[in-house]
Formats: sequence, C-alpha cells, structure tokens
Amino acid sequence: ETGVTQTPRHLVMGMTNKKSLKCEQHLGHNAMYWYKQSAKKPLELMFVYNFKEQTENNSVPSRFSPECPNSSHLFLHLHTLQPEDSALYLCASSPPPGQRSYEQYFGPGTRLTVT
Amino acid sequence: AQSVTQLGSHVSVSEGALVLLRCNYSSSVPPYLFWYVQYPNQGLQLLLKYTSAATLVKGINGFEAEFKKSETSFHLTKPSAHMSDAAEYFCAVSRSGNTGKLIFGQGTTLQVKP
Repeated sequence: ETGVTQTPRHLVMGMTNKKSLKCEQHLGHNAMYWYKQSAKKPLELMFVYNFKEQTENNSVPSRFSPECPNSSHLFLHLHTLQPEDSALYLCASSPPPGQRSYEQYFGPGTRLTVT
Repeated sequence: AQSVTQLGSHVSVSEGALVLLRCNYSSSVPPYLFWYVQYPNQGLQLLLKYTSAATLVKGINGFEAEFKKSETSFHLTKPSAHMSDAAEYFCAVSRSGNTGKLIFGQGTTLQVKP
C-alpha cells in the first residue's frame, strides 16, 4: 500500500450504532487530519494530530471521537450519530511543521450514511 | 487571518478550450498556495503547489498556475480542456506560521462539454 488509505470506503449506520473509521498513511508523515465534506459545503477541518498528540479540535461534537495510536494510524470513532452527519470523511497527512513542503496528502475518503 | 476565495462555483468549457479557474487569497505573510482536484467519490489529489520559488508553477495533467503577488491571485489554467478534466478543483493556502494546516476555498466544479 502506498499513500493514504481509508477503510471502509462506504458505511451505512443507524443512529444508535457504534462504528469506527480507519486511516493509515505510508508516507512517513507526522501530522494527520480528519475532514468532513458535506454536499454543497466547504471542507471542514475536524481534528489535527501532530506526533500522535491532538493539536486542534474544531468544536466537533463529542459523538465523534478521534484516536491516534501512532503517527501512521488515525481512527474516528462514531456513536449516536445524526442524519446530518452523513458526509464524506477524508483523512490527510502531511510532513511535520518546519519542513519545506506543506501540502497534505489525502485518502480516498469514507462515504458515511446515517439512517 | 488567511483566506481563499474561488470565483465561480461552476465553470463550463468546451473540450479543447482554455480552462481558467480563479483563486484569490488573503495572507499577512508570504503564502504557500496549492491547487487540488477531486473526482467524484474520491479524495483530493495535489495538482500543483507554490512555495516561493518560481512564480509560474507547472503541475500534473497539463495544468499550471501563476502566483501574482500584486493581484493576490493564483489562477489555474490549462490550454486545452479534456473530458477527463471534469472534476471539482480546490485552491488552498497554508495557515500563518507554517503549521502545515491548510485553508481551502469553496471549490469550483469544472464541466467539460464535448
């Protein structure tokens, strides 16, 4: 595997379910991100992790719980979601701050539907 | 605070015509600027980036962008559109302090007509 991978690619869950999204990066990066992309809305940055430590939480509801066990893996645990949480969830990674390149590399996303 | 504005949420061109997608930025420090492309139900793919070297940046798939400080612009162009270019395009600027975080524009959907 190369780049950033995300599983599952598609997920349908009821409002009472608990599920997790997984992201893995094979680029040797130290920063990882979760974004939410809803129809007709701009990309929303949810969480940022640097060297496994959460450095940003953009007022995300507690029904979304991130976990970063190491610099290569990032999870998003979901529970008691609402229909408005249906969206494409994108994971990204980037080199540590201070390096010369600042671009982010994205995974293919998980299309989440909450019923 | 930094921000990005993409002019036109939808752009339609004929196959073979010039593609021009507009991006203006606001930044109090020299910015790093990026263009990404997103095909349906996929993640974002980096097209090109400006990191204070040459002002004319060439990217993948025949795209290029020119950084114009006086106009605070970073427009994306391609001389001849192909059907496969139909996608959504995002302009982004790095956050101040070079923390690695990006601020994205609203996106522009490019339609290519045969």
